[in-house]
Amino acid sequence: AQSVTQLDSQVPVFEEAPVELRCNYSSSVSVYLFWYVQYPNQGLQLLLKYLSGSTLVESINGFEAEFNKSQTSFHLRKPSVHISDTAEYFCAVCKSWGKLQFGAGTQVVVTP
Amino acid sequence: ETGVTQTPRHLVMGMTNKKSLKCEQHLGHNAMYWYKQSAKKPLELMFVYSLEERVENNSVPSRFSPECPNSSHLFLHLHTLQPEDSALYLCASSQDIGPYNEQFFGPGTRLTVL
Repeated sequence: AQSVTQLDSQVPVFEEAPVELRCNYSSSVSVYLFWYVQYPNQGLQLLLKYLSGSTLVESINGFEAEFNKSQTSFHLRKPSVHISDTAEYFCAVCKSWGKLQFGAGTQVVVTP
Repeated sequence: ETGVTQTPRHLVMGMTNKKSLKCEQHLGHNAMYWYKQSAKKPLELMFVYSLEERVENNSVPSRFSPECPNSSHLFLHLHTLQPEDSALYLCASSQDIGPYNEQFFGPGTRLTVL
C-alpha cells in the first residue's frame, strides 16, 4: 500500500519570500513522484516530476523538488514567490502504470 | 478547442435525476481518467480507460456509470446520486497508461446534488 501526506493544508507567504511545501510518502517499492498545481477554477497541471536520475528536479517557473529516498520525502521549494503562485499544490506518487495517488493538497496564498 | 475540455462546468441535480458529464481530449491520447475531488480530501481515482477499455474501477458505486465510445471522449453517467456525491469531477488524459506519461486535466465539472 502507499499513501501520500502533505503536512500543511495551507501556507501563507509574502511575495518574494521563500516557500517550502512538504510531502512524505509511504511505499515498500520504488515510486515515481509528481507535483501538480491547480489554479483557481482550473484543472491540475503538472509542475515537475521525478522518475529516475538526479534527485533534484526543477520546473520552468522556478520551483524545485528533491527526492529523498531515506526520508521518503519529495518537498517542493521556491526561493522567491510571486502573487501568481497563489494556487493549490498536490503531491502525487505512482507505483505502477498510471495510477496516481494524491495527497490532500496544500493551499499557498501569496500576499504583497 | 485544445487540451481537455469538460461540459458542463457546473451542474445542480436532484437525487432522482439522471445526468451525464462529458469529457473530450484533443491531444491524441490513448488513456482517459475520471477523478473525484472533494474539499480537503485527496483526489480519488474513479475510472481508467486505455484504448477504450476500462482498466480500473476503483470501487465506485454503481450510480456512477462511465462510458468511453472512442479514445477522444469519456462520459460519466449519473443517476440516483446522494448529497455526498457533490464534488468537482475531473477528467484527465495521457498518451498511454504508465508512470512516464503526464496526465493532462480538464477544468472539471462542479456537481451539486440536492
